[in-house]
Amino acid sequence: EVQLLESGGGLVQPGGSLRLSCAASGFTFSNYAMSWVRQAPGKGLEWVSGISGSGGSTHYADPVKGRFTISRDISKNTLYLQMNSLRAEDTAVYYCAKGLYGDYSHWGLGTLVTVSS
Amino acid sequence: QSVVTQPPSASGTPGQRVTISCSGSTANIESKAVDWYQQLPGTAPKVLIYSNNQRPSGVPDRFSGSKSGTSASLAISGLQSEDEADYYCAAWDDSLNGYVFGTGTKVTVL
Repeated sequence: EVQLLESGGGLVQPGGSLRLSCAASGFTFSNYAMSWVRQAPGKGLEWVSGISGSGGSTHYADPVKGRFTISRDISKNTLYLQMNSLRAEDTAVYYCAKGLYGDYSHWGLGTLVTVSS
Repeated sequence: QSVVTQPPSASGTPGQRVTISCSGSTANIESKAVDWYQQLPGTAPKVLIYSNNQRPSGVPDRFSGSKSGTSASLAISGLQSEDEADYYCAAWDDSLNGYVFGTGTKVTVL
């Protein structure tokens, strides 16, 4: 059974940094592209970033380009999102999902990031 | 604001058919596979339709997807109370080089 478990969320001040993790199990992690999707309180879904199975190709949404970095550790079956220069508008539940170009077949439960002073 | 738009709400009585539209452009909906996600209150999204009209195992055949040009649609036939949720279309966008979600539609069962 595919399982995705996010961690690392919390309260951070504007301008601060946070690293999210997503532990994957139940599938061959290196064979699948992965993505991060966020949802601000009361708002819709917003794609944030994606990475190929090998990690050699990464993509970012314009609002986070230059501030967020996606990566993966195949030996640990873990996906990461390093978030720097955080802003109030980055406050959201962050989900990791299996997929990149389409068909996000599995999702984690999400981790809440709150950016506030 | 998303480049893919949906009506903010739709509703129907139990047993009715409800259709949700999704409007995009040549860079996304017209040229790429369209997916649909269902998000029940307080839960993570779940894929309902992928590649325009394919249903993952376990998704009832009451849900169907279609696409024509720069628009796509999700139809829910035989509406049930448990279908009350938010629905999002999505597709890769070649101009943005990213995956774009529609603005979302809240379905209410009257």
